[in-house]
Amino acid sequence: QPVLTQPPSASGTPGQRVTISCSGSGSNIGTNFVYWYQQLPGTTPKLLIYRNNQRPSGVPDRFSGSKSGTSASLAISGLRAEDEADYYCAAWDDSIHVVFGGGTKLTVL
Amino acid sequence: EVQLVESGGGLVQPGRPLTLSCAASGFNFDDYAMHWVRQGPGKGLEWVSGINWNSEYIGYAESVRGRFTISRDNAKNSLYLQMNSLRPEDTALYYCVKGGGFDEGWFDPWGQGTLVTVSS
Repeated sequence: QPVLTQPPSASGTPGQRVTISCSGSGSNIGTNFVYWYQQLPGTTPKLLIYRNNQRPSGVPDRFSGSKSGTSASLAISGLRAEDEADYYCAAWDDSIHVVFGGGTKLTVL
Repeated sequence: EVQLVESGGGLVQPGRPLTLSCAASGFNFDDYAMHWVRQGPGKGLEWVSGINWNSEYIGYAESVRGRFTISRDNAKNSLYLQMNSLRPEDTALYYCVKGGGFDEGWFDPWGQGTLVTVSS
């Protein structure tokens, strides 16, 4: 059972704004940075957001991250067909390990 | 260009050992923590183990603690995962990933993965 809680699915139409939530606890999200990964079908995961809200070079500014307390969110604005993928949140947990969310499958309708 | 190339996966019987290797290039290997992350068939991502730059700090997921051992050889730019007492639930694609600090969920980039299948 994943330590971080994400909705199993999300959907939106092209151009819409979609948010994906990630809920944790005081020992992980509450005190450490949150990371987001995108896994396109049949590919390896890719770092999308680091340290709560920073984008690596090459990631469009349509993707944004935020954190409040023990929860975090990934927002995708101007949704595109190529955004259809699985999205995972991750954080360090103070019990000396990294925890992931169970993943959210985003469908672009 | 950063490259991480895993090897050593394969079909193994339950209870048997297997060792995975990861050859790193394109960056100063001994400056970074390294991790193993796995993904079971049709499942999500699961962190397996991590090691800091000089092997002083090591962590394991509860599901593998006591059975798996992570190590690194900075002279060879290589990361290893020794897996003992393998179970069917260890069947997964195992990714070698470059970390940031040891105590972060920062994984970038990811290798292509090596498939481990535990079955009789």
